[in-house]
Amino acid sequence: GENVEQHPSTLSVQEGDSAVIKCTYSDSASNYFPWYKQELGKRPQLIIDIRSNVGEKKDQRIAVTLNKTAKHFSLHITETQPEDSAVYFCAALADRGSTLGRLYFGRGTQLTVWP
Amino acid sequence: SAVISQKPSRDICQRGTSLTIQCQVDSQVTMMFWYRQQPGQSLTLIATANQGSEATYESGFVIDKFPISRPNLTFSTLTVSNMSPEDSSIYLCSVDGVPDTQYFGPGTRLTVL
Repeated sequence: GENVEQHPSTLSVQEGDSAVIKCTYSDSASNYFPWYKQELGKRPQLIIDIRSNVGEKKDQRIAVTLNKTAKHFSLHITETQPEDSAVYFCAALADRGSTLGRLYFGRGTQLTVWP
Repeated sequence: SAVISQKPSRDICQRGTSLTIQCQVDSQVTMMFWYRQQPGQSLTLIATANQGSEATYESGFVIDKFPISRPNLTFSTLTVSNMSPEDSSIYLCSVDGVPDTQYFGPGTRLTVL
């Protein structure tokens, strides 16, 4: 099945700096890659996603890039703010057979933004 | 996105007992998923619940321990049976959006003594 690796596991940045979280996946058939933000005690919230027919997608301060050839995708947060502090999860959607519709999650990145 | 609710939001249970967690969504959805999240860990899929068919369980999870019901397109239950302290965790349901996206319920925090 699909295997998603996420790095780094923790990331600390100064307010205003940029943060980058990277993920790799193993199954070339995966075609949808969402990112979730989970604040302490809250549910994971979808913040941005990208499909395999697109190389980059941006939404205000956050952007996601996808390199299908290398099978990796990244989350970029610019002008970070303390409220960006949370755990971020990347995921890949399986698109074959019995695993259709199943998301495979990375281990998560704890982002801390210091004021 | 769909509005998803879970009941109970939290519970403290004695070992050997069972707890049934409900997941309700405000619109019809094809797929519902049940996850477990240990403190500080990622999301682990327990099973996929489709209406009208048996749930599909992931490796390491069995129906006798985690029976699931999916009586209609807006509701599902997960039962944690014969609980032990190792079952203490947050249990989350999620539903599929259109297309491909998944949205999560608020979770049920379970503590087993």
